[in-house]
Order: sequence, then structure tokens, then C-alpha cells
Amino acid sequence: GAGVSQTPSNKVTEKGKYVELRCDPISGHTALYWYRQSLGQGPEFLIYFQGTGAADDSGLPNDRFFAVRPEGSVSTLKIQRTERGDSAVYLCASSPAGQYEQYFGPGTRLTVT
Amino acid sequence: SQELEQSPQSLIVQEGKNLTINCTSSKTLYGLYWYKQKYGEGLIFLMMLQKGGEEKSHEKITAKLDEKKQQSSLHITASQPSHAGIYLCGAFQGGSEKLVFGKGTKLTVNP
Repeated sequence: GAGVSQTPSNKVTEKGKYVELRCDPISGHTALYWYRQSLGQGPEFLIYFQGTGAADDSGLPNDRFFAVRPEGSVSTLKIQRTERGDSAVYLCASSPAGQYEQYFGPGTRLTVT
Repeated sequence: SQELEQSPQSLIVQEGKNLTINCTSSKTLYGLYWYKQKYGEGLIFLMMLQKGGEEKSHEKITAKLDEKKQQSSLHITASQPSHAGIYLCGAFQGGSEKLVFGKGTKLTVNP
């Protein structure tokens, strides 16, 4: 079946602009996670959804970052007033109810110039 | 907060050689994941270890969990160029659903 998909695969934006990154989880997966990976580092947790609600948003670095999952499926990560330090690969993962294995998408590479 | 340290940071081996990658946690491990990542791609799940002493294998890759040492090792037997990539260990931060990852081990296998 289809895996986790993320769009766009690459995004280049200017400093100060607003961006949206989209994640389509595996159908039926109730949990959805966003991570950020900088060069040479492991993924860093941002936010976790169980259904439509954000169960844990402790990893969001500041209030410029926001994520939604209005219907419990697709999620959008929104970044306002982007900064060069936001440049990274943003990874999305999903998992089915009652299971711990997280299935990752290919990521969106964000470059802020 | 929990930290995972991987060693070595990078590894270059000749095809056919065996190798081991280690992952050490600063806190008690409640489960340990191994993922593989290739450039420009997402993380590919390899295996999950949940119990102390547990050992799992997938093709030529074997992983073990030593709860007492708060450590896991990943062993590749008779390495092939297809094994090349970045290997990441991840663990749940106690009581939460979020994974904490190590920085990864970059493996190069020369033909």
C-alpha cells in the first residue's frame, strides 16, 4: 500500500516568508508525528497528533511554528516569518493505533535564503 | 532529557566484512528502534527491540538490546554496497510517544 507522502519534496523560500508543509499519513493511521532533521544530526521531535488533537507539541521551537490535522488524516506544518535557521529536512511519520512502530515519509527539504 | 550516543560516527568497510554499530542511552531504555536512511530519503524501519536481552535479525542485520548497559548494538554480516547509508537508533523518551534519535552512523561499503 501507499506509504507516508510529503509535499513538496523541496521548498526554497526567502527569509521572512510563510511556508506550509504537507503530510499524508498511511490510511487509517491514527498517530502522526513531525520531526526536523538538520545536517549531520538525527531527527528532532516537533509535535505529535493523536487523531485531530495535538497530544504533545513540546518540540515546537517557538510560536512561529504551528501544525494542524483538522480531519485526523492529512497534517500541515506551518512556519511563519521563516529564518535561515529553519532550513532543514522536515520529516513526517505515522503509526497505527496501539502500535509503536513509526513509518516515515521521504521528508521536505526546506531552504531559507 | 534522554540522549542517545552512537559510535562510530562513520565507518568505511570493504565489501564482505562484518561490522558493528553501537547506541548507548543516557537513561533507561523502554524500547529501541533502528532505522536506515539514504540521502534524500526518509527513514526505513529495520527493527524494534523491547526487552532486555532481545535479539532480532533481518537478512544479514542483527540487533541486540542490553538493558543493563542501556545499550544496543547493530551487527551486519558480510556487508554489501546496498548496506551503505546512515543508521539511526531511536528510543522513546520515558512516558511519551516521541522518539529521541542518535546522530547516526554513516556506513560506506566499498566494492
